[in-house]
Amino acid sequence: SQKIEQNSEALNIQEGKTATLTCNYTNYSPAYLQWYRQDPGRGPVFLLLIRENEKEKRKERLKVTFDTTLKQSLFHITASQPADSATYLCALANQAGTALIFGKGTTLSVSS
Amino acid sequence: EAGVAQSPRYKIIEKRQSVAFWCNPISGHATLYWYQQILGQGPKLLIQFQNNGVVDDSQLPKDRFSAERLKGVDSTLKIQPAKLEDSAVYLCASSLSTGETQYFGPGTRLLVL
Repeated sequence: SQKIEQNSEALNIQEGKTATLTCNYTNYSPAYLQWYRQDPGRGPVFLLLIRENEKEKRKERLKVTFDTTLKQSLFHITASQPADSATYLCALANQAGTALIFGKGTTLSVSS
Repeated sequence: EAGVAQSPRYKIIEKRQSVAFWCNPISGHATLYWYQQILGQGPKLLIQFQNNGVVDDSQLPKDRFSAERLKGVDSTLKIQPAKLEDSAVYLCASSLSTGETQYFGPGTRLLVL
């Protein structure tokens, strides 16, 4: 069965630095991968989608890479701010491409 | 544009009782999802509807959980009888169609005592 691992449960960085979150997966090749942000007491919010034939996607201070050989996605937040503090979830399309399988998430804390 | 609405936001019940959650998706979204999110975990898909038909319910504990989406719009998720391990946040999401970006509601936080 599909397995998703996000590198760590918590990541603490200083304001202005680049945060890098890792998502590794095994056992199959998803057609696409998404990253979501979740704040306490709220539902996840979509951030970025990257397809299997794309290497990199950017949106403002966010950048996602997708390495299908390594079976890994990296999520970067540049010039991080305290407002970026949240849990970030990696989600892979299932084999049918119809639904998402979520990782456990990484909780990012940005201190000023 | 209104987002995904869920109610209630919080529910506390005793084990073996029944409970129901309601979801109103974004207007025009054909696909509706129910997820269970246990503390410290990512959301786990319970059931997915495309209009009023079930696409995937492989992870729904069918002996106690049921869900319906009768007119292809609103949906209800029911647990009967509840167990302690059902304590979690139940998230509803919708998308234009399968494989499209999902939009999540705020969730219903269930505590089973």
